Amino acid sequence: AQSVTQPDIHITVSEGASLELRCNYSYGATPYLFWYVQSPGQGLQLLLKYFSGDTLVQGIKGFEAEFKRSQSSFNLRKPSVHWSDAAEYFCAVGGINKLVFGAGTILRVKS
Amino acid sequence: EAQVTQNPRYLITVTGKKLTVTCSQNMNHEYMSWYRQDPGLGLRQIYYSMNVEVTDKGDVPEGYKVSRKEKRNFPLILESPSPNQTSLYFCASNGRDEQFFGPGTRLTVL
Repeated sequence: AQSVTQPDIHITVSEGASLELRCNYSYGATPYLFWYVQSPGQGLQLLLKYFSGDTLVQGIKGFEAEFKRSQSSFNLRKPSVHWSDAAEYFCAVGGINKLVFGAGTILRVKS
Repeated sequence: EAQVTQNPRYLITVTGKKLTVTCSQNMNHEYMSWYRQDPGLGLRQIYYSMNVEVTDKGDVPEGYKVSRKEKRNFPLILESPSPNQTSLYFCASNGRDEQFFGPGTRLTVL
């Protein structure tokens, strides 16, 4: 069965520090992988996606993610966090008709 | 502008009173989906539709119905809502390689 695990429910980082959000997945075929961000009271915004090719994917707002097939991981990174990055982040795996989401990681940014 | 719209955005109702949440997309997508979001559980798919008159169950379909009579619209129907359906609901329109999400509908069932 398809599943996504985001091990960290909450993460707090200082503004300007680097960030890594973890995501592990279980999927029967070659996965399509996504990271979404949800600001408080807002909908979901796509940060980046991976289908194939280069395993390091660049997204919006300075985010990147690396697909590691051997570890079944798709971790999200940002070299320097801004206060406006405080939000909930969701990793998802799936295809055209269905996405399976992780439980989310809430990012807090302290000044 | 490509968009997915949902109405209403907020709804408070009582147990057993039928309600419909509408969803519309302007991207001519064939695939559309409904999800519910609950704390600690992420988003879970309720139903999806592959085209007009073609729908199928997702992971949590109990207590919900959908219809797809037109390509642009995919309403979610709760015929007898219960408190455990209190949640945040998202409609999604599925492009070739990305799902576009609506703004969400926050439903409270008393």
